[in-house]
Amino acid sequence: DAGVIQSPRHEVTEMGQEVTLRCKPISGHDYLFWYRQTMMRGLELLIYFNNNVPIDDSGMPEDRFSAKMPNASFSTLKIQPSEPRDSAVYFCASSRGGGAGNEQFFGPGTRLTVL
Amino acid sequence: AQKVTQAQTEISVVEKEDVTLDCVYETRDTTYYLFWYKQPPSGELVFLIRRNSFDEQNEISGRYSWNFQKSTSSFNFTITASQVVDSAVYFCALRGYGAAGNKLTFGGGTRVLVKP
Repeated sequence: DAGVIQSPRHEVTEMGQEVTLRCKPISGHDYLFWYRQTMMRGLELLIYFNNNVPIDDSGMPEDRFSAKMPNASFSTLKIQPSEPRDSAVYFCASSRGGGAGNEQFFGPGTRLTVL
Repeated sequence: AQKVTQAQTEISVVEKEDVTLDCVYETRDTTYYLFWYKQPPSGELVFLIRRNSFDEQNEISGRYSWNFQKSTSSFNFTITASQVVDSAVYFCALRGYGAAGNKLTFGGGTRVLVKP
């Protein structure tokens, strides 16, 4: 089975531009998570969905960030307008079930550079 | 609040040496899970092991073993007979059933460099 798919793998953009990151979770998984990894803050959860519904977005840094999950097989994380401090690796993960022991499978990540 | 601390930022060993990674956690949940993930130079996050808070039995899986001590809130991870391919950043993570919900809290990571 295919794992979590993210696109693009690398994105370079200029400050002020809109950036859209995409994620396709593993088929049958009902939880989807967006994480951000930076040198300063490490790995941090931004938002997660259960059955396409956002459950906790308390990690979203500010209103410039938004995430959607229009169906069970697709999610987007949008930054508008982007800023240099948004440069990071963004990971999408999915899991079957939301229990604490349910393993989250991570995608390869999208490395975002905002100039 | 949940917190995971990995005090070692980097460990360098020579191939075939054992490597032990330290992890200390904080949580108010009585039920929780602990994880170790590996992030090789290619960047993806790879799940390694999982342990729930009710099971303090230490185990060995291939070259990996772990030591869970609830009394000291520690979940240490050992790679036996290290290989160059083990070079990566290793993350300890915690996920509870309480107020933190589904939040997987990661430690800062320990970079392991295995030299030939």
